[in-house]
Amino acid sequence: EPEVTQTPSHQVTQMGQEVILRCVPISNHLYFYWYRQILGQKVEFLVSFYNNEISEKSEIFDDQFSVERPDGSNFTLKIRSTKLEDSAMYFCASSDPAGGYGNTIYFGEGSWLTVV
Amino acid sequence: DQQVKQNSPSLSVQEGRISILNCDYTNSMFDYFLWYKKYPAEGPTFLISISSIKDKNEDGRFTVFLNKSAKHLSLHIVPSQPGDSAVYFCAASADGYSSASKIIFGSGTRLSIRP
Repeated sequence: EPEVTQTPSHQVTQMGQEVILRCVPISNHLYFYWYRQILGQKVEFLVSFYNNEISEKSEIFDDQFSVERPDGSNFTLKIRSTKLEDSAMYFCASSDPAGGYGNTIYFGEGSWLTVV
Repeated sequence: DQQVKQNSPSLSVQEGRISILNCDYTNSMFDYFLWYKKYPAEGPTFLISISSIKDKNEDGRFTVFLNKSAKHLSLHIVPSQPGDSAVYFCAASADGYSSASKIIFGSGTRLSIRP
């Protein structure tokens, strides 16, 4: 069964450092997303991406964050200068709503980011 | 901004019985609803969905009911099995047709199936 894959599964970084989280969405999907879950809190939307540009972003997705699709398969989230409060599980997701009514989004296993 | 609410943080059900998880929403623009199951340190796994033109959708042991007038949906799992123990998230989106609409998650309900 096709799945969204993410790397790394866990990364520890020092405050102020840049981090890149990588994702390979499901191959025939065209819409990509990043969500995050801070420990003990709800899963929050960060950004959606389609046709090589951001479709929508939340208030969390400030200038420290960026996304990129550098080639035909990868989708990355970059945090330029990490803060302690960026520590969270980051989920990549993808979807293909053209398959029918409703946008079912499929998630990866997550990348656990710890900022120290 | 709690557009999707799951008011029960936890639920304990005996194996073999029915589990009923509830969800309320406030945004009348939502037209597509989903349930996800999540284990610790893993991503949310899609379970079942329902569009606003329906009031029920069934898939094996899982049935989702939608009451639009009450802005309420529920997930029924019957019979409940030990492997169903997980956190269940309700989610919703607007503009369901051929759109990359984001989904908004509720806070989750931790379901525990006891032997």
